[in-house]
Amino acid sequence: AQSVTQLGSHVSVSEGALVLLRCNYSSSVPPYLFWYVQYPNQGLQLLLKYTSAATLVKGINGFEAEFKKSETSFHLTKPSAHMSDAAEYFCAVSDRLNKFYFGSGTKLNVKP
Amino acid sequence: EAQVTQNPRYLITVTGKKLTVTCSQNMNHEYMSWYRQDPGLGLRQIYYSMNVEVTDKGDVPEGYKVSRKEKRNFPLILESPSPNQTSLYFCASSLSGGASPLHFGNGTRLTVT
Repeated sequence: AQSVTQLGSHVSVSEGALVLLRCNYSSSVPPYLFWYVQYPNQGLQLLLKYTSAATLVKGINGFEAEFKKSETSFHLTKPSAHMSDAAEYFCAVSDRLNKFYFGSGTKLNVKP
Repeated sequence: EAQVTQNPRYLITVTGKKLTVTCSQNMNHEYMSWYRQDPGLGLRQIYYSMNVEVTDKGDVPEGYKVSRKEKRNFPLILESPSPNQTSLYFCASSLSGGASPLHFGNGTRLTVT
């Protein structure tokens, strides 16, 4: 079974600062990788997906993630945080058996 | 509008009383799945289905049942709910399994007393 580790259950940044949310996965074979965002009282929405076409993946709302096979990481970044980015972010992987595994989530707080 | 619809949004029940949470998608997706979300644990997959009449266990299937009689519907059944099944439940679908991103419903908050 896969495992997904998100370091930091809470991250706080100032508006305009860099956002870095960390995600590591356990598999030695690169699985499918995703980042999702959850706003209060809503379901999860896809931010971006790793497709193996490129190691740097661009998503919606200015987010991007870099796949590093040697580090088994897929960290999420955004150069400049906006107040509207405050939400909970989940890293997820799926395997060749079509099972999905999620990290425990990181709540992003953006200070004015 | 393309969507995954779950009902009800909120449900309070008592231990042992059978309940069903419905899930329907209008995107003609092959893959459907159920998750529970608990604080500090993220989302954990309960069951998934690659096609009609094909279902498989996820990480936490104990105490749950599912059925996939039609492509668009994937109900979650708790035949004898217990308090440890109090949680936020999400249904999600994708075009073709693990390679495709999941589309989520808005969730069902279940409380079992």
